[in-house]
Amino acid sequence: AQSVTQLDSHVSVSEGTPVLLRCNYSSSYSPSLFWYVQHPNKGLQLLLKYTSAATLVKGINGFEAEFKKSETSFHLTKPSAHMSDAAEYFCVVSDRGFKTIFGAGTRLFVKA
Amino acid sequence: NAGVTQTPKFRILKIGQSMTLQCTQDMNHNYMYWYRQDPGMGLKLIYYSVGAGITDKGEVPNGYNVSRSTTEDFPLRLELAAPSQTSVYFCASRLIGTPSSGNTIYFGEGSWLTVV
Repeated sequence: AQSVTQLDSHVSVSEGTPVLLRCNYSSSYSPSLFWYVQHPNKGLQLLLKYTSAATLVKGINGFEAEFKKSETSFHLTKPSAHMSDAAEYFCVVSDRGFKTIFGAGTRLFVKA
Repeated sequence: NAGVTQTPKFRILKIGQSMTLQCTQDMNHNYMYWYRQDPGMGLKLIYYSVGAGITDKGEVPNGYNVSRSTTEDFPLRLELAAPSQTSVYFCASRLIGTPSSGNTIYFGEGSWLTVV
């Protein structure tokens, strides 16, 4: 069985400071892992994905995530937060089956 | 290339009414999904389909039905709407089974449904 846990329901940072959104997963097989972002009243947009290639994955808007198998983690980071980064972020795990499981989401607040 | 298209975007239903949320994709994806997202929560899988003519239940299927008569379309039917079905509904699709598919899930923009 697979599962995904986003360790923080909300994260607050100041503009220009680093962002860390934490995600742990459980999967019986080598998983595919994704981060999606959802701005208020909008659909979901893919930030980045890991599919068993390089463990450090670079995404859009300066985000990146590192797949750490030993820690079963896929944390999302960004060196410097922008006001436009304020949104809800979802970590997603998908194994070689067809079901795709979403984390509960982490809301990112960015203070001026 | 339109991607995943959902209609309607907004709808208000009375308790006991029925309706269908339409979803179509033009990417020739084999897998399609319906999720619901309650306020402040993550997405829950309602139903999914691995190809035309094949559907199966997800985590929260009660009160819903789906069909997949074509590759492109995956409508979600609500019978006897209840207030608990007030939610945002997302349709999604992906291509699985080819080296270049990449596993990316493509989402529609969402359908906001209120049952009163």
